[in-house]
Amino acid sequence: DIQMTQSPSSLSASVGDRVTITCRASQSISSYLNWYQQKPGKAPKLLIYAASSLQSGVPSRFSGSGSGTDFTLTISSLQPEDFATYYCQQSYSTPGITFGQGTRLEIK
Amino acid sequence: EVQLVESGGGLVQPGGSLRLSCAASGFTFSSYEMNWVRQAPGKGLEWVSYISSSGSTIYYADSVKGRFTISRDNAKNSLYLQMNSLRAEDTAVYYCARDEGLLYYFDYWGQGTLVTVSS
Repeated sequence: DIQMTQSPSSLSASVGDRVTITCRASQSISSYLNWYQQKPGKAPKLLIYAASSLQSGVPSRFSGSGSGTDFTLTISSLQPEDFATYYCQQSYSTPGITFGQGTRLEIK
Repeated sequence: EVQLVESGGGLVQPGGSLRLSCAASGFTFSSYEMNWVRQAPGKGLEWVSYISSSGSTIYYADSVKGRFTISRDNAKNSLYLQMNSLRAEDTAVYYCARDEGLLYYFDYWGQGTLVTVSS
């Protein structure tokens, strides 16, 4: 299976900050990388697909980049509703879709 | 509006069985591939199983292969997960998730149903 490693595992930031979360794949996955946001007690929500495409309805402060093995999710200006856990997911290897371990974004 | 509603979770003893259901609405269910994804308490997301739109292609994670069976009834707009020989490590919230189909990302998720395996 392809291993996905996110960094950092947790992050403290303030409203208005620019935040970047990194996801690294254990082998090349081209652009088959997706990002999800999950709030406590809720289902994950798709933010970014194919590394850099913004899902419909998702605010433009979210952006994704990368290809191959290294990817980033950037939130340009944190809003109070953005404090959540973020997961990357590779969909290059199917079957065998795998997620990163998650990055918990907390209020400083 | 796309809706996915899971049901069937609960408390079951180790070695027991449970059948989860996912009722779909707001889209043409028979045109979409579907998945089950689970999340153990306080842990990350784990893909469990995939089924093609017709049901002819099925995949499982190694952790559930031989114990879980995914199926669907397109006439009833429903997805199922039959779980047998349950273990404590199967304790999790189980989500059904719609598969976009070409790039294999999950664009809609249900609210989840909790399965607890304990004596």
